[in-house]
Amino acid sequence: DGGITQSPKYLFRKEGQNVTLSCEQNLNHDAMYWYRQDPGQGLRLIYYSQIVNDFQKGDIAEGYSVSREKKESFPLTVTSAQKNPTAFYLCASSSRSGGTEAFFGQGTRLTVV
Amino acid sequence: EDQVTQSPEALRLQEGESSSLNCSYTVSGLRGLFWYRQDPGKGPEFLFTLYSAGEEKEKERLKATLTKKESFLHITAPKPEDSATYLCAVQEGKGNKLVFGAGTILRVKS
Repeated sequence: DGGITQSPKYLFRKEGQNVTLSCEQNLNHDAMYWYRQDPGQGLRLIYYSQIVNDFQKGDIAEGYSVSREKKESFPLTVTSAQKNPTAFYLCASSSRSGGTEAFFGQGTRLTVV
Repeated sequence: EDQVTQSPEALRLQEGESSSLNCSYTVSGLRGLFWYRQDPGKGPEFLFTLYSAGEEKEKERLKATLTKKESFLHITAPKPEDSATYLCAVQEGKGNKLVFGAGTILRVKS
């Protein structure tokens, strides 16, 4: 089955810890994205990558970091510099050419304890 | 700056009561407008892509339309299983990133 897999589904972070969220896709898509979703708000773009070894900051990149060493994988690290990390995180991928839909994973809910 | 505004924020319908959701946008060079459905605690599920004014797409009880400034998602004779949050997103001409609206929460009661 082709798709996007995010893990874990639930993640708990202590104050001051860095945590990494996994995102893997087998759709052969070049572009991958990380979004954050808070209650009552739309999806906000954290980082995106259009090709391996290249990525760009989105609208709310502060306190986050990413890597894109493989086409299939785009992990997101939530660092201790992110002051309000509790949220629902969504990974997506799309064909590199514009005008094509993005497909989403099932999300990771991160909670600070 | 690209903006996407969805209205209403929430909509309650009786089963069979048709209605429309609105997505207005300001973007320089629309490359595509996308509609998604999102169930609680899950990732958005793709519904439609619209590219140019006048275009329409249909799927079961849903029909999406596009003008130069807004898109509508028409729901005909909705059922309780249509209850979800409906998200609209636009892709502008410079790159691939999607800008999302805040969504419309739809509740259909039997």
